[in-house]
Amino acid sequence: EEQLVESGGGLVQPGGSLRLSCAASGFIFSSCDINWVRQAPGKGLEWISYISTSGRTIYYADSLKGRFTISRDDSKNSLFLQMSSLRAEDTAVYYCARVFDWNFDLWGRGTLVTVSS
Amino acid sequence: QAVLTQPSSLSASPGASASLTCTLRSGINVGTYRIYWYQQKPGSPPQYLLRYKADSDKHQGSGVPSRFSGSTDATANAGILLISGLQSEDEADYYCMIWHSNNWVFGGGTKLTVL
Repeated sequence: EEQLVESGGGLVQPGGSLRLSCAASGFIFSSCDINWVRQAPGKGLEWISYISTSGRTIYYADSLKGRFTISRDDSKNSLFLQMSSLRAEDTAVYYCARVFDWNFDLWGRGTLVTVSS
Repeated sequence: QAVLTQPSSLSASPGASASLTCTLRSGINVGTYRIYWYQQKPGSPPQYLLRYKADSDKHQGSGVPSRFSGSTDATANAGILLISGLQSEDEADYYCMIWHSNNWVFGGGTKLTVL
């Protein structure tokens, strides 16, 4: 079964850092482009970042202003999101989503990040 | 002004059709974009439904019923998700998305109520 499983979420203080992971299984991870998308409680979807195969191409949402870094380790079938200078407005469920033919065709169930003192 | 604007809510009756709109910001021509549609039910991640740019450039998600279809309204500069033969299980949030200026952009979502 094709699957994406996010982890690493939790409670972090404002100004802190957190590293999220997304573990892939059931498909050839190294052949896939992947995105991070988040959803604040009760709000809509917000795209965060994109990484192509081999990490050759990376894009970030303009609103992040360099606070987040996306990376991947194909040897471990894993995607990462390093988040720093976290703010209350970063509180959200963070999803990883596979890209196939430009569609986000496979999503994980998400990991909740709460930024609060 | 947001890149993509969706009405926050829409209600329709079982068996009827619902037309969900996704209006592109002025200056962004709907005819030049593939518009992607996602459905999200409470407590679940979004699921890809379909994409539509033109009849010659469209794609239906795997397992997505044909009663879900896409179109555009050039006059309104909007993408449209049409759901025919509404069922109670169609009650969900629906999001449109485009690739614009090296960013994926989501609309704010429409909550569809079937009652």
